[in-house]
Amino acid sequence: DIQMTQSPSTLSASVGDRVTITCRASQSISTWLAWYQQKPGKAPKLLIYKASNLEGGVPSRFSGSGSGTEFTLTISSLQADDFATYYCQQYNTYSRSFGQGTKVVIK
Amino acid sequence: QVQLQESGPGLVKPSETLSLTCTVSGGSISYNYWSWIRQPPGQGLESIGYIYHTGRTTYNPSLKSRVTISVDTSKNQFFLNLSSVTAADTAVYYCAKDMGTMPFPYKWGQGTLVTVSS
Repeated sequence: DIQMTQSPSTLSASVGDRVTITCRASQSISTWLAWYQQKPGKAPKLLIYKASNLEGGVPSRFSGSGSGTEFTLTISSLQADDFATYYCQQYNTYSRSFGQGTKVVIK
Repeated sequence: QVQLQESGPGLVKPSETLSLTCTVSGGSISYNYWSWIRQPPGQGLESIGYIYHTGRTTYNPSLKSRVTISVDTSKNQFFLNLSSVTAADTAVYYCAKDMGTMPFPYKWGQGTLVTVSS
């Protein structure tokens, strides 16, 4: 099974900050990686797919990069609406797996 | 705009089978992949498995011995059965529509909490 490790687990930031979340895969997944945002009591929402493709309707301050085993999600200027938990997910293999999540909290 | 709605019992007894239905509206269930994902309270997301409209399935190896996912295209529904449940199976269960030739969850239902308790 492919293990996905996100860092940090919690990130404290202020509105306007540039924020970067890292996701590492235990083996190469090419660019078969998605990023989701989840707010309390809500279903996850797709932000990025195939490592760097922005889902329609997602603000351009979100971007994704990486390939192989290391990936990043960047929020260029954090907004109040962005305080949430973020998950990466690999779909390179039939057995998909998620990272453990990164919670972005107000500093 | 496709919508997904999970339904089923909110309480299941230990050792019994958890059964959920996902009803798809606003689009056809055909020619797509459909997923089940769960999230224990306060924890992260876990993929359970997914199904193509033809009935071809793929399951998470850690759950494979207990999981069955099926589809009824005439009703635009797909289903999850998880047998021999324990308290560790208590979670919010989500169904989702997948996207892409290498499919991944794209549009999620709101989720339904299933508690395993006697």
